[in-house]
Amino acid sequence: EVQLLESGGGLVQPGGSLRLSCAASGLTFSSYAMSWVRQAPGKGLEWVSDISGSGGSTHYADSVKGRFTVSRDNSKNTLYLQMNSLRAEDTAVYYCAKVSPGGYYFDYWGQGTLVTVSS
Amino acid sequence: EIVLTQSPGTLSLSPGERATLSCRASQSVSSYYLAWYQQKPGQAPRLLISGASSRATGIPDRFSGSGSGTDFTLTISRLEPEDFAVYYCQQYGNSPLTFGPGTKVDIK
Repeated sequence: EVQLLESGGGLVQPGGSLRLSCAASGLTFSSYAMSWVRQAPGKGLEWVSDISGSGGSTHYADSVKGRFTVSRDNSKNTLYLQMNSLRAEDTAVYYCAKVSPGGYYFDYWGQGTLVTVSS
Repeated sequence: EIVLTQSPGTLSLSPGERATLSCRASQSVSSYYLAWYQQKPGQAPRLLISGASSRATGIPDRFSGSGSGTDFTLTISRLEPEDFAVYYCQQYGNSPLTFGPGTKVDIK
């Protein structure tokens, strides 16, 4: 059974940094692209970033480009999101999600980790 | 960027009734690359449908998807108590991939 477990969320001041992790199990992790999707409180879903299985290709939403960096360690079956220069509008639950081999939709999701940016 | 619009915003129905949810795209979605997700309060989204009409593993057949181009529909043939939730569509035919704002199906 595929399991994704995020960690690293918390309260951070505007301008601060945070690194999220997503530990994966039950799959050949390096075979799949992975994504981060966020959801602001009471709002809808927003794709943030994705990374290929090898880690050689990454993409970002315009809203986070230049501030967030996605990476992965396939030896540890772990996905990361380094978030710098955080803003109040980055406050959200951050989900890691597995990209389906059939297309860029998400067949497995973690339970999410809450990031709150506030002074 | 493809903008997805979902209607209605809220659908109030009773168990056993049929639910019809709409997702409209600002431009044509390539190759039926449209997915639907269900999200319950405090939970992560769950994949229901991909490729506009293919049910994901374990999804009951009361859920069906249809449509092409710019107009897509998710139908729940007979609502069960566990189906009351928020439903999101997502297009993955064009970059960046985008989600609709969601339709809440609540109990009448």
